Amino acid sequence: QQQVKQSPQSLIVQKGGISIINCAYENTAFDYFPWYQQFPGKGPALLIAIRPDVSEKKEGRFTISFNKSAKQFSLHIMDSQPGDSATYFCAATVRGAGNMLTFGGGTRLMVKP
Amino acid sequence: KAGVTQTPRYLIKTRGQQVTLSCSPISGHRSVSWYQQTPGQGLQFLFEYFSETQRNKGNFPGRFSGRQFSNSRSEMNVSTLELGDSALYLCASSWTDSQTEAFFGQGTRLTVV
Repeated sequence: QQQVKQSPQSLIVQKGGISIINCAYENTAFDYFPWYQQFPGKGPALLIAIRPDVSEKKEGRFTISFNKSAKQFSLHIMDSQPGDSATYFCAATVRGAGNMLTFGGGTRLMVKP
Repeated sequence: KAGVTQTPRYLIKTRGQQVTLSCSPISGHRSVSWYQQTPGQGLQFLFEYFSETQRNKGNFPGRFSGRQFSNSRSEMNVSTLELGDSALYLCASSWTDSQTEAFFGQGTRLTVV
């Protein structure tokens, strides 16, 4: 059972454009939602994370929007750059369940110059 | 500050053999988690250890096992290897056992032939 669904699977954006990746979850016990960025040959690296008590969190060009009632959250990358080309994963954890991450399927982003 | 170190980086094993992978977490981190990454199944949680105790276990057969030592270093073992065990195995370390940022290593690429 895929508890975190991510879309799209792949995304092509022009340099300077906005990249938007969406995730939906089923388990209402999830209460911590990180996003990870992975470059080829590397492990995932934390990009930004949000808890459900806020609806939006912004760090530089990266923004998470969170809709608790819809059980959805999304990553927006503003002014996308070729260096942002990577695979992005949303994830979720349950309070009291340690650091066990449930990942979405991933989105391969390509930013064209 | 050194990152998460996984050894070896690459392994080729024959079906039926067993394999042991090693992970050295960031100094001071006490939680170590293991994930399997494949193109078909994405990133899947294997298990998490905190202070030498298994905290969580994912939905994998008993052939997959792990342990953590008093210095927080961790090993995972896969016995009776199957072709489907071919994957990138990622280790992540965290400061505590409660929804803290997970830092990933570069992974061990296991190929079973």
